[in-house]
Amino acid sequence: GEDVEQSLFLSVREGDSSVINCTYTDSSSTYLYWYKQEPGAGLQLLTYIFSNMDMKQDQRLTVLLNKKDKHLSLRIADTQTGDSAIYFCAESRMSTDKLIFGTGTRLQVFP
Amino acid sequence: GAVVSQHPSRVICKSGTSVKIECRSLDFQATTMFWYRQFPKKSLMLMATSNEGSKATYEQGVEKDKFLINHASLTLSTLTVTSAHPEDSSFYICSARTTGRETQYFGPGTRLLVL
Repeated sequence: GEDVEQSLFLSVREGDSSVINCTYTDSSSTYLYWYKQEPGAGLQLLTYIFSNMDMKQDQRLTVLLNKKDKHLSLRIADTQTGDSAIYFCAESRMSTDKLIFGTGTRLQVFP
Repeated sequence: GAVVSQHPSRVICKSGTSVKIECRSLDFQATTMFWYRQFPKKSLMLMATSNEGSKATYEQGVEKDKFLINHASLTLSTLTVTSAHPEDSSFYICSARTTGRETQYFGPGTRLLVL
């Protein structure tokens, strides 16, 4: 199947870490992505990981990939109010040109 | 680098008219462009994939005669919503990718409201 699933909502206090989770079903995924969407805007590429890696760190962002469990996570350290947005994971597969998007997780950061 | 623009950012039109949305890659050659539709509080639904100089490939359930896609140059793709109806109101987002690169870069989106 093509399902990529995420929890719908996450609320964290400013300064805490946020962890957004994503599960996917297709084991042939080549790249996995995290995108951020602010209200009324397009998608901003945050980071991506190749399927043969299990971790990637980029400043405040840490991506963990468990290929066996088909589980991807995005950790945001020291979460700020400007991080409030919807976060989409997406997978691409070698066989197609398509990106398959998750359902999106709305992150709300409160002071 | 990798900037994609869309124009207009929002448009309101009367039912029955046609609307054209432009998607441009500003600093790279977009050999492939994608058009997505996003309903409120929902994920992105891929509508079609277009390669420069070729006909677009539409996803199942997307009417190619209603959503006309042209990708005549390496920096521009257009989506024309023909004979628009209120149910076509949505947020339309394009993305672009260059040859040999996996990553898609997204435009800021166009909000279409059909009255």
